[in-house]
Amino acid sequence: QSALTQPRSVSGSPGQSVTISCTGTSSDVGGYNYVSWYQQHPGKAPKVMIYDVSKRPSGVPDRFSGSKSGNTASLTISGLQAEDEADYYCCSYAGNYPSWVFGGGTKLTVL
Amino acid sequence: QVQLVESGGGLVKPGGSLRLSCAASGFTFSDYYMSWIRQAPGKGLEWVSYISGSGNTIYYADSVKGRFTISRDNANNSLYLQMNSLRAEDTAVYYCGHIQTSGYPLDYWGQGTLVTVSS
Repeated sequence: QSALTQPRSVSGSPGQSVTISCTGTSSDVGGYNYVSWYQQHPGKAPKVMIYDVSKRPSGVPDRFSGSKSGNTASLTISGLQAEDEADYYCCSYAGNYPSWVFGGGTKLTVL
Repeated sequence: QVQLVESGGGLVKPGGSLRLSCAASGFTFSDYYMSWIRQAPGKGLEWVSYISGSGNTIYYADSVKGRFTISRDNANNSLYLQMNSLRAEDTAVYYCGHIQTSGYPLDYWGQGTLVTVSS
């Protein structure tokens, strides 16, 4: 199973919006509404920001939103803040064996 | 609240073995899939292995198949990863992860334990 494709880096200024894409296939992203997104700051464990494509866990700001079109999922962060600077990973359900695949990760820089 | 605490990491020579443990609390352990995820220095996340609540369903990444064994002790709320024939490329932080549902995997993570394979 190949990893999902993410841009290696994105950037934006405080207050702006950025979108990170996550491209898979009809066997993973396109086949299920089961995409999740994780934020990871240096030296820390990842934290889930979005699940089931567009749902936010309790405590995650509504500046974070998720969507999907065909084989591509997207994470949009609006009103960028300095603390949003981190690595972001997408993950999709892919059926059986393996059941999930990660994207390669995207480094978000807040200018 | 849910807590996952890994232990067992360290420095090991190539070809050596190590056993990682993950102590879980705050949920009914036997009801959930559990996983091991790793992250090599400066690299992305990689699914290493996962196991169903009963232990009947197990997955291994091709990179560890035949060398690593995942197991769980539901009576003691513990997850394990036995790592044999370790290679330099196994050097990584290993995270224990709780899997909530198919669309909501890894809602909880441990703090990670570092495994370094070097002579």
